[in-house]
Amino acid sequence: DVKVTQSSRYLVKRTGEKVFLECVQDMDHENMFWYRQDPGLGLRLIYFSYDVKMKEKGDIPEGYSVSREKKERFSLILESASTNQTSMYLCASSISGIPYEQYFGPGTRLTVT
Amino acid sequence: KNQVEQSPQSLIILEGKNCTLQCNYTVSPFSNLRWYKQDTGRGPVSLTIMTFSENTKSNGRYTATLDADTKQSSLHITASQLSDSASYICVVGFGNEKLTFGTGTRLTIIP
Repeated sequence: DVKVTQSSRYLVKRTGEKVFLECVQDMDHENMFWYRQDPGLGLRLIYFSYDVKMKEKGDIPEGYSVSREKKERFSLILESASTNQTSMYLCASSISGIPYEQYFGPGTRLTVT
Repeated sequence: KNQVEQSPQSLIILEGKNCTLQCNYTVSPFSNLRWYKQDTGRGPVSLTIMTFSENTKSNGRYTATLDADTKQSSLHITASQLSDSASYICVVGFGNEKLTFGTGTRLTIIP
């Protein structure tokens, strides 16, 4: 079974803090994704990576950065957290090739106060 | 603008009954359509993926249909169980591996 794990289920941070969300997958997938999910909105893509050290902006990259130093690990960084970044963050991974099955982690519910 | 609209927003049915969830999309160029199940506080789990040439796909008690001409899909759940209580998300793939997500239908099964 594919397993995607995220470093925290719940996180509370203060405005202005630097926040790291980590995601690890164990199936040697090339692609990894970071989404945020807010009530009344569909999942929105923040960033994705199709290879180590490669990254591309998604639909809402402002205020975020990412790092992928190893194939199995993809980190989302909030350089200076703001209250409007309070959300559920979901990581996913997939192999390459269309259509590709995306496997999601359990999510991190981040609250910025 | 690529959009995926789902209806109803929420649905409550009795255990053992069947139900059908709807998805309409305006996404171009269409590549594939997926249905995900998301339990509260969890990540989505894939139920089915259909490409342009497929018009039906089943996964146990879940059956998805696709009409690419009318740009509509449905997810039919047979003999519902309490564990089917979840949000069901319709997702359309387009272009080069990009996805557009619907906002989901919240399904509640009551005993």
